[in-house]
Amino acid sequence: QQQVKQSPQSLIVQKGGISIINCAYENTAFDYFPWYQQFPGKGPALLIAIRPDVSEKKEGRFTISFNKSAKQFSLHIMDSQPGDSATYFCAASAGGTSYGKLTFGQGTILTVHP
Amino acid sequence: NAGVTQTPKFQVLKTGQSMTLQCAQDMNHEYMSWYRQDPGMGLRLIHYSVGAGITDQGEVPNGYNVSRSTTEDFPLRLLSAAPSQTSVYFCASGRDAGAGNQPQHFGDGTRLSIL
Repeated sequence: QQQVKQSPQSLIVQKGGISIINCAYENTAFDYFPWYQQFPGKGPALLIAIRPDVSEKKEGRFTISFNKSAKQFSLHIMDSQPGDSATYFCAASAGGTSYGKLTFGQGTILTVHP
Repeated sequence: NAGVTQTPKFQVLKTGQSMTLQCAQDMNHEYMSWYRQDPGMGLRLIHYSVGAGITDQGEVPNGYNVSRSTTEDFPLRLLSAAPSQTSVYFCASGRDAGAGNQPQHFGDGTRLSIL
């Protein structure tokens, strides 16, 4: 049972364009929603995270939009660069001692063409 | 400060063999966990620990054992390797949730093939 569904599986964007990756979750106990970036041969690294008390969080070119009623959240990468080419994972976890128990989406392979 | 260190980086096993994947962190993190990554399935939680002496099962615990005798180390044991356990294994650590939005730090993985 996939509790966090991510789309698209792959995405090709031209340099300078906007990359958008979407996720939907089912478990209403989730209260922490991070996005991870993974390069080949490396472990995932935290990119940006949000809690459901805000609808949007921006850090540089990366923005998370969060819709609690729809149980959806998305990652927007503005001015996409070839160096952004990587696999992106959304994730979610509940609070308390379950904070570190991340449920991941299936991943999106982003390719940014020069 | 090395972060999360996983050894070995690569391993090939025969069906039925046992082995231990090592994970160590030097950040004094309370939380440690093991995930496996398979194509098209993201990362799935195998086992989890909130501190020394405390472990819990994740989504896919069958065939794996863990123990946490120290804060720094969280080894993952494959009892009798099966081809279905061919995967990339990641260890992660993080601070207590009360410390705010603290990220989980991941190691660079162990690539395991079972023949």
